[in-house]
Amino acid sequence: TQLLEQSPQFLSIQEGENLTVYCNSSSVFSSLQWYRQEPGEGPVLLVTVVTGGEVKKLKRLTFQFGDARKDSSLHITAAQPGDTGLYLCAGDSTGGSYIPTFGRGTSLIVHP
Amino acid sequence: DAGVIQSPRHEVTEMGQEVTLRCKPISGHNSLFWYRQTMMRGLELLIYFNNNVPIDDSGMPEDRFSAKMPNASFSTLKIQPSEPRDSAVYFCASSLPPSGVVFFGPGTRLTVL
Repeated sequence: TQLLEQSPQFLSIQEGENLTVYCNSSSVFSSLQWYRQEPGEGPVLLVTVVTGGEVKKLKRLTFQFGDARKDSSLHITAAQPGDTGLYLCAGDSTGGSYIPTFGRGTSLIVHP
Repeated sequence: DAGVIQSPRHEVTEMGQEVTLRCKPISGHNSLFWYRQTMMRGLELLIYFNNNVPIDDSGMPEDRFSAKMPNASFSTLKIQPSEPRDSAVYFCASSLPPSGVVFFGPGTRLTVL
């Protein structure tokens, strides 16, 4: 079983601050995904990264996949209260069927 | 598209009772997943179906749990008998490989007293 460790587990910041959350593993993944989950809802996919070193941007969110495809980071610039939620990373090593294995997530609260 | 549909959204039951959770995946998706989410263990994969066939049920905690997918548009997760430690949010999700995009339902919050 591939284990994905996410850090920090909890993060409470003020609106306008920047933050980075991390997703690390000792295993190599064929792809890695980031999801955001809001209270009372299921996770929603934000991005998929597949190439080592890949960087993707989604408005104020920047996602990076490590060169060795074992880790990833999510950086949020000028956080807003709407960014509040649980951020989950998920990796797949099956290389085809895509069965995501999730980390435990980083719970982010952005205060106005 | 309505997305993945789960019912009920909330279930409160007493220890020893049978619980059945239901899921309708997105039309056309041929992969279906059942996950369980708790504060202690996060989001755990219970079972994965492909083309209605269970492929990986290694995450099913014990014999009290069973899942079926009688057709491409319906799946159930049954717990019998239920125990307080089964209290969690259960998610159904579906996808169409090889897109790698998994869509989650809103979840069923189960409380076993």
